[in-house]
Amino acid sequence: DAGITQSPRHKVTETGTPVTLRCHQTENHRYMYWYRQDPGHGLRLIHYSYGVKDTDKGEVSDGYSVSRSKTEDFLLTLESATSSQTSVYFCAISLTPPSSYNEQFFGPGTRLTVL
Amino acid sequence: DAKTTQPPSMDCAEGRAANLPCNHSTISGNEYVYWYRQIHSQGPQYIIHGLKNNETNEMASLIITEDRKSSTLILPHATLRDTAVYYCIVRVASTNAGKSTFGDGTTLTVKP
Repeated sequence: DAGITQSPRHKVTETGTPVTLRCHQTENHRYMYWYRQDPGHGLRLIHYSYGVKDTDKGEVSDGYSVSRSKTEDFLLTLESATSSQTSVYFCAISLTPPSSYNEQFFGPGTRLTVL
Repeated sequence: DAKTTQPPSMDCAEGRAANLPCNHSTISGNEYVYWYRQIHSQGPQYIIHGLKNNETNEMASLIITEDRKSSTLILPHATLRDTAVYYCIVRVASTNAGKSTFGDGTTLTVKP
């Protein structure tokens, strides 16, 4: 299994507070992703990164920002958490170098509750 | 990325083959079909992918129709541990990878 960890694994916070979720990989993979998973919506892409300091928006990026200052870490920040951001957040990575397909490996997830 | 349609749920008897269908009628010529599964409370797990030929690995087989508008994931001898949500997605494989969304998938329940 790819070495992907997420921290924290569970967090409860209050509306309006900033929250940062961390994804750490030990595989030196170039591509990293943040998804959220909600009942009835499957997994939706929030942001992704294709290299250090190179990021782009996904389908549901409003209210979220990301940073990648090192290959191994991809941070997801909720500047001012809202109850609609209560969800399970998954980090994923893609193998390098680019190949004929892009298999993704997923982390264990972070369950975030915004009260 | 092309949209996919999957049945919301399916049952399968333990030891029998599980055949999970997926429709992707708007698939483009350069889009691959991927299958992932998610066991309760865990992150999704890659199973298999293909372009137009049938594929097989240690986990499953993937059958893609000649017109590529649909596919079937086959788990040859389902076990209770195969109970999970199975996602079929299609997307272009490129260097700027993975800008994709997973739909609701099919919940497969393997019964004793």
